[in-house]
Amino acid sequence: NAGVTQTPKFQVLKTGQSMTLQCAQDMNHEYMSWYRQDPGMGLRLIHYSVGAGITDQGEVPNGYNVSRSTTEDFPLRLLSAAPSQTSVYFCASRTATLNTEAFFGQGTRLTVV
Amino acid sequence: AQSVTQLGSHVSVSEGALVLLRCNYSSSVPPYLFWYVQYPNQGLQLLLKYTSAATLVKGINGFEAEFKKSETSFHLTKPSAHMSDAAEYFCAVTRSGGNTPLVFGKGTRLSVIA
Repeated sequence: NAGVTQTPKFQVLKTGQSMTLQCAQDMNHEYMSWYRQDPGMGLRLIHYSVGAGITDQGEVPNGYNVSRSTTEDFPLRLLSAAPSQTSVYFCASRTATLNTEAFFGQGTRLTVV
Repeated sequence: AQSVTQLGSHVSVSEGALVLLRCNYSSSVPPYLFWYVQYPNQGLQLLLKYTSAATLVKGINGFEAEFKKSETSFHLTKPSAHMSDAAEYFCAVTRSGGNTPLVFGKGTRLSVIA
């Protein structure tokens, strides 16, 4: 049972480069979210999706794009990486059932130089 | 909008002592509340969740939390700390109905001293 799988685990980018962080879940969850974790800031919501074809912005969406073409996948795109995007990124999924917890991937540690 | 505030970014306790991690919530509707734990270089793992069925919730690893509506609190406790409890702990909230993502507090890092 894979749960939520994030790739890659580590990535170093140069300023201005673009890349896609992958997230896949095999639990048929309707809801998926992307968070970034920075020291002293907790987890901040970047974007989320309540189902295929539906996405919405979170607290810190600037510089990131998402799409949800399938239930299983929810990639996060960095269009032009900046040092301020150095962070640990977590993908999470949960069902639409009331009061269900989110399941998290292991994270992607991104460094932008 | 829902939010949670965790008091104390770092808590240090002796092994065998009581663990108390504080979380206060702000919500205009009945909230759903969660506690997660993060061990170094790992993802987040659910400790427990408030379901409204009982105000005292028991979770994994001996942790429990009590929902107090009058105090808008959901503090996490464990009677006796173990070295393996050293981790970062996050309180989270979502709106009743659950159709919003979890909103997290800033986290509390727990250190356990031998």
